[in-house]
Amino acid sequence: DGGITQSPKYLFRKEGQNVTLSCEQNLNHDAMYWYRQDPGQGLRLIYYSQIVNDFQKGDIAEGYSVSREKKESFPLTVTSAQKNPTAFYLCASSISASPATQYFGPGTRLTVL
Amino acid sequence: AQKVTQAQTEISVVEKEDVTLDCVYETRDTTYYLFWYKQPPSGELVFLIRRNSFDEQNEISGRYSWNFQKSTSSFNFTITASQVVDSAVYFCALSAPGTASKLTFGTGTRLQVTL
Repeated sequence: DGGITQSPKYLFRKEGQNVTLSCEQNLNHDAMYWYRQDPGQGLRLIYYSQIVNDFQKGDIAEGYSVSREKKESFPLTVTSAQKNPTAFYLCASSISASPATQYFGPGTRLTVL
Repeated sequence: AQKVTQAQTEISVVEKEDVTLDCVYETRDTTYYLFWYKQPPSGELVFLIRRNSFDEQNEISGRYSWNFQKSTSSFNFTITASQVVDSAVYFCALSAPGTASKLTFGTGTRLQVTL
């Protein structure tokens, strides 16, 4: 089945540790996105990538980093510089950069202890 | 700047009632796209509908219908004869051409449907 996978579903880390969230898609989509969702709030864009080896900052990129070495993969690293990393992280992809419908993965819930 | 407002934080209805979720948007673009997504308790956002600014026809899909009115900058979503499986958080979102399809989301409306 085609789709977007994110692993793991739940992730726990100690404060000060970097952590990498996985996002893989087999939809042959060009563009991929990372969003953060906090309780009672909408989604906020962290980073996005329109093509391999290229990505741009979203609205809340500070404390995060990404890479796009393969079309199928767009991992997100939450660094120790992120002041409040505990959140629900959602990855999405779309068939083309603009305009296009984004399809979402199941999300990763990160808790920093 | 783009903005999406979902003023209803939470709505509770009894099964089989009709319910309308409101969405008001702000944009300076003449061409734009509006979306509705559903987020069930599992967390994954499920795409429901996309509308472009030139198409003001209402859309109906089964028990779901959408009313797009440019005059009031609204894109409301109605569920007819609600069911318990409709319980979820619903998000309205806005995108404009040339923005790499970046979505501006509202804060969501939590719908609780009870028996």
